[in-house]
This record gives sequence, C-alpha cells and structure tokens, in this order.
Amino acid sequence: QKEVEQDPGPLSVPEGAIVSLNCTYSNSAFQYFMWYRQYSRKGPELLMYTYSSGNKEDGRFTAQVDKSSKYISLFIRDSQPSDSATYLCAMRKNQGGSEKLVFGKGTKLTVNP
Amino acid sequence: DAGVTQSPTHLIKTRGQQVTLRCSPKSGHDTVSWYQQALGQGPQFIFQYYEEEERQRGNFPDRFSGHQFPNYSSELNVNALLLGDSALYLCASSLAGGRDTEAFFGQGTRLTVV
Repeated sequence: QKEVEQDPGPLSVPEGAIVSLNCTYSNSAFQYFMWYRQYSRKGPELLMYTYSSGNKEDGRFTAQVDKSSKYISLFIRDSQPSDSATYLCAMRKNQGGSEKLVFGKGTKLTVNP
Repeated sequence: DAGVTQSPTHLIKTRGQQVTLRCSPKSGHDTVSWYQQALGQGPQFIFQYYEEEERQRGNFPDRFSGHQFPNYSSELNVNALLLGDSALYLCASSLAGGRDTEAFFGQGTRLTVV
C-alpha cells in the first residue's frame, strides 16, 4: 500500500463549479499537509499548507485535514478555467525545511468555460 | 528575488550516458532536495543536501549522486542512464532551521533518455 493515495482523475467541471480533491494516507506520523498546483510542464507551486487536523481557508481555496480518518481535502469554490492544472497533495512528518515530502500521484483538473 | 532556478530545461541523452543537472536555490535557503517525477506520477524524493552533505536519501540506486556547493547550489548526476530515467527532475529549496518554511520548487529539467 502506498503511503499517500490520490485519485488521478481526470476531473472535468464547468466554470463556477465547486471542486473537491482528496487524498488518503496510511502513515499516522504525518502532521503537515500541503496542496501543490502544477501546470503542464512546470514545477509545483504551493497552494495551501496546514498543520494537524482542521480547516484553512485562502480566498476560493479551503484545505481540510481529518487525521482520525487519515483523509485530506482541497475545495475550490467558483472554479475558473485558470484553475485547470494537476493538484498534488503532499505531506511530511516534522516541521521545518529539512523533512522530505511524500506526494500523491496528482489529480488532473480541467475547468471548462 | 529569484526563485529556484534549474538548468537546463530540456535534455536528451542516449542510454548508458551520464547527465548533470543544476539547481540554484531561492535566496536565503540552505537546503536542496531533488525529486523525480515520471509522467502521470507525483514527485518521488531522491535525496537532500545540507551543508554540502547528503542528509537524506530516497529509494534510488547509487547511479544517482549529487553535490552541494558552498553557495548552496546543487548538482544531480545520473550515470549509466536507463530509458526509465526519463522524467521531470525537480529541485526544491528550503531553510533547514525554519519552523514552518516550505519547499519551493523550480520549473524542473525534463530528461529524455533514448
């Protein structure tokens, strides 16, 4: 079993839809959870970062972490064609920049005008 | 403030050859990590360099090696290239002692082995 599981999609939605992206994980030691957005042939860029369980909101994006279920989500409200990209969940055990990231496979999202 | 820069952006090599990829970290960062991203997959951790030493290593063979220079820039070397080494190679920089600092990625080097 992989440490981090993510449905690769693809996911196609109309503009303005609410998008829900999810990951599950098996290692209960993970405490820090991130969502990266990756446009085609580009490097990942950090979207959201959360510690432990709870919700975090940033504009149209909301990240949720449920450590009891080992389940994390990213919600995108009022989706836009510019949101079309691959979304990668990532997690690590400890704080600080010295810890490696463990990624999911990524979910490819297309928002249609 | 320049972010993480990688060179070259694209590279085509023949099976059996050797390749060197380069990375300059974001200003103020002292740690460089390398990831391999195969098509349709998430990035996989190769190794991390801090204070010019390899500090962590993922499940990659010894054909993959690296170096970090005093200015924190880094190189990734791959020997005896295999077709399966074709991937996007990502460099990420971070600050080792930072409490909540996160990794910032470069745009990657796309390596094609033929």
